[in-house]
Amino acid sequence: GDSVTQMEGPVTLSEEAFLTINCTYTATGYPSLFWYVQYPGEGLQLLLKATKADDKGSNKGFEATYRKETTSFHLEKGSVQVSDSAVYFCALGSQGGSEKLVFGKGTKLTVNP
Amino acid sequence: DADVTQTPRNRITKTGKRIMLECSQTKGHDRMYWYRQDPGLGLRLIYYSFDVKDINKGEISDGYSVSRQAQAKFSLSLESAIPNQTALYFCATDTGPPSYGYTFGSGTRLTVV
Repeated sequence: GDSVTQMEGPVTLSEEAFLTINCTYTATGYPSLFWYVQYPGEGLQLLLKATKADDKGSNKGFEATYRKETTSFHLEKGSVQVSDSAVYFCALGSQGGSEKLVFGKGTKLTVNP
Repeated sequence: DADVTQTPRNRITKTGKRIMLECSQTKGHDRMYWYRQDPGLGLRLIYYSFDVKDINKGEISDGYSVSRQAQAKFSLSLESAIPNQTALYFCATDTGPPSYGYTFGSGTRLTVV
């Protein structure tokens, strides 16, 4: 079945460091891919998405490129801030599968001043 | 008002008690979900509903039941609460494929003692 594997955390970085959170997937058909973010005490919010191969999603300085050849959707940010501290979830939605989002287990990011 | 409202925000209950968690949405979406979040396990799907007459079990439905009272309301019940149901519970709505516009509530933190 459809699945998402993302790097385990926690990840701790200093402010202005470069961030990469790896995400790979297994899916039937041509899935849509998503990154969600959960700030402390809140629900998940959509951060960015890509609906076809080679698409790049971007928002708030974060980027991720849909790579079909490597079945990956890695999240990157060039210079993190303390306010980026949160849990990040990779997810996929497969039109050929169950038509629900399948989430990874989440990666906790802490950014220190 | 929030697009997806969950009540209560926090609840402590005793083992063996029946408890209901409520979710209402103003998004006008047909699709609604209940997830459970545990540290290290990410989000796990309990039940989902693609319209008022459609209810489906997720991966961890044992010990839970749901009711879809209207398009806007989707309630989760624990018939006889047990301590390992202590978790953070999220309700979400969705526009479906290919965009999967998930909107999450702020969550209900449930403690079973």
